[in-house]
Amino acid sequence: GEQVEQRPPHLSVREGDSAVIICTYTDPNSYYFFWYKQEPGAGLQLLMKVFSSTEINEGQGFTVLLNKKDKQLSLNLTAAHPGDSAVYFCAVSAGQGGRALIFGTGTTVSVSP
Amino acid sequence: GPKVLQIPSHQIIDMGQMVTLNCDPVSNHLYFYWYKQILGQQMEFLVNFYNGKVMEKSKLFKDQFSVERPDGSYFTLKIQPTALEDSAVYFCASSTGPNTEVFFGKGTRLTVV
Repeated sequence: GEQVEQRPPHLSVREGDSAVIICTYTDPNSYYFFWYKQEPGAGLQLLMKVFSSTEINEGQGFTVLLNKKDKQLSLNLTAAHPGDSAVYFCAVSAGQGGRALIFGTGTTVSVSP
Repeated sequence: GPKVLQIPSHQIIDMGQMVTLNCDPVSNHLYFYWYKQILGQQMEFLVNFYNGKVMEKSKLFKDQFSVERPDGSYFTLKIQPTALEDSAVYFCASSTGPNTEVFFGKGTRLTVV
């Protein structure tokens, strides 16, 4: 089945710097890709849903890139601020009839002032 | 936005006892999911449920686990009997369709002692 590796496991950056998290998946049939943010004691907040047809996706304060050739999905936090401190998870779905989301291992991001 | 509610937020139970975790999904959602997250680790898929049936389950969904949503009420995860390794945070999620945005609850922290 699908395997999703996420790196790095921890990331410490200063406010204003950028931070990049990369996920590598194995199933070439994967079609939907997601980035979630989890703050302490909270559920998952969807940051962005990406379809396999779109390689560059801009959000508020971040960019998501999809490289289908290398089966990689990346989240680039631009100009990080303390509010970005959280655990970030990528998730991948083959997108057929209620298939489950398979999550990456998570990246703990700490942004210091 | 739409909210998935999980009750209770924390439950402590003796090993060997039965526990039922309750989830109140978003009202017009039809697909329901349970995920397990051991402290500090990734979110792992347990099961998804649609039209009164389990559609897909992972190896983590042991024989001691069961799910149901009787008469459109709570979507429940029952563990009978519980084991120490069942201690984790269990997240419920729901979506309108198989490939639409999945909304997560804040989780129920289950501690088996």
